[in-house]
Amino acid sequence: NAGVTQTPKFQVLKTGQSMTLQCAQDMNHEYMSWYRQDPGMGLRLIHYSVGAGITDQGEVPNGYNVSRSTTEDFPLRLLSAAPSQTSVYFCASSRPGLGQPQHFGDGTRLSIL
Amino acid sequence: AQKVTQAQTEISVVEKEDVTLDCVYETRDTTYYLFWYKQPPSGELVFLIRRNSFDEQNEISGRYSWNFQKSTSSFNFTITASQVVDSAVYFCALKGGSEKLVFGKGTKLTVNP
Repeated sequence: NAGVTQTPKFQVLKTGQSMTLQCAQDMNHEYMSWYRQDPGMGLRLIHYSVGAGITDQGEVPNGYNVSRSTTEDFPLRLLSAAPSQTSVYFCASSRPGLGQPQHFGDGTRLSIL
Repeated sequence: AQKVTQAQTEISVVEKEDVTLDCVYETRDTTYYLFWYKQPPSGELVFLIRRNSFDEQNEISGRYSWNFQKSTSSFNFTITASQVVDSAVYFCALKGGSEKLVFGKGTKLTVNP
């Protein structure tokens, strides 16, 4: 019962470095999304995908890239890390439909120095 | 635009007290879903309940109950006889018209022994 798997769990980067946060799900869910969680801000949507080959921007997309080449994987790329991107990142997946609850990974805690 | 407001940033109660977490939402959609998620200190996000816009029946699950009122655009969550294990951050969220899930900023509940 893997569900949604995020790697790594923790990462420290220097300003200007790039990296990819990995997200994989084994539930054959079409919908996947990335959120960031900052203190007092709740969860904010970065990017989402309604199926392989289709991605779109959420509320806070700047500085992040995504692609969806398979149903299972939805990586999030930081192109040039900035201290403002220090956050906890959550990946989620669900079946399509308004009433479908999203299943979340355990999160990646990212610090940018 | 859709918006979820959780006015209570932090609540502290003593074990066995009842506590209600407030959630007020805004949407122009006639069909939408509301969700509650729990984030315990370990950090994962756990789905608790969903309610669609056409179903105003209150729901009770053990010590948990939810009161949905369209007239006041509210979807409040009550924990009866709170326990230390209920200590967590609770998020209310709204999905309407798209696959995007909009979160409130969360209410941190601390239950003291």
